[in-house]
Amino acid sequence: ETGVTQTPRHLVMGMTNKKSLKCEQHLGHNAMYWYKQSAKKPLELMFVYNFKEQTENNSVPSRFSPECPNSSHLFLHLHTLQPEDSALYLCASSQGGNNYGYTFGSGTRLTVV
Amino acid sequence: QKEVEQNSGPLSVPEGAIASLNCTYSDRVSQSFFWYRQYSGKSPELIMSIYSNGDKEDGRFTAQLNKASQYVSLLIRDSQPSDSATYLCVVSDGQGGKLIFGQGTELSVKP
Repeated sequence: ETGVTQTPRHLVMGMTNKKSLKCEQHLGHNAMYWYKQSAKKPLELMFVYNFKEQTENNSVPSRFSPECPNSSHLFLHLHTLQPEDSALYLCASSQGGNNYGYTFGSGTRLTVV
Repeated sequence: QKEVEQNSGPLSVPEGAIASLNCTYSDRVSQSFFWYRQYSGKSPELIMSIYSNGDKEDGRFTAQLNKASQYVSLLIRDSQPSDSATYLCVVSDGQGGKLIFGQGTELSVKP
């Protein structure tokens, strides 16, 4: 596989459920990101990891919990979400710094019911 | 607050015309500039990058950068209905930390 792979592609969960989103990059990049994109809104940066260390948490509620076991894998653990958390969740990776742009995964379309 | 401003549109052009997408940014020390295309319900895809003043051409796409005016643009020649998408202007954080995304301009190319 190449690029950035996200699973699942679609997820429907209840407000009391616990689920996890997975992201894997095969590009040898050392930085990974979680973004949230709600309908008709710009991308919102959630978390940044560099060399598997979290370097930014953009005031994200604690019901979203990221995990980065190594530079190739990134998870987003979800629990007790709200309907307003329904959105497209995008994972991206980069070489570090910002000269080359980010490569995005296909995203997970999350619906909270 | 570092910002990237785009007209949200929608910008509507007829097939075969030139589409012009514009963007301004606030961080004077930004060094890297990108245009991403995002189809509805899909993830953003990098289509152009530019790092120095002037024009950069790639096929039907031309990116233009003017650092003195803090202005970036994307021209799409011979627009096709398949170009209909939201175009995101993206600028590097001058401190080297991360990229800053604009809100995107929705482009609609009418057959």
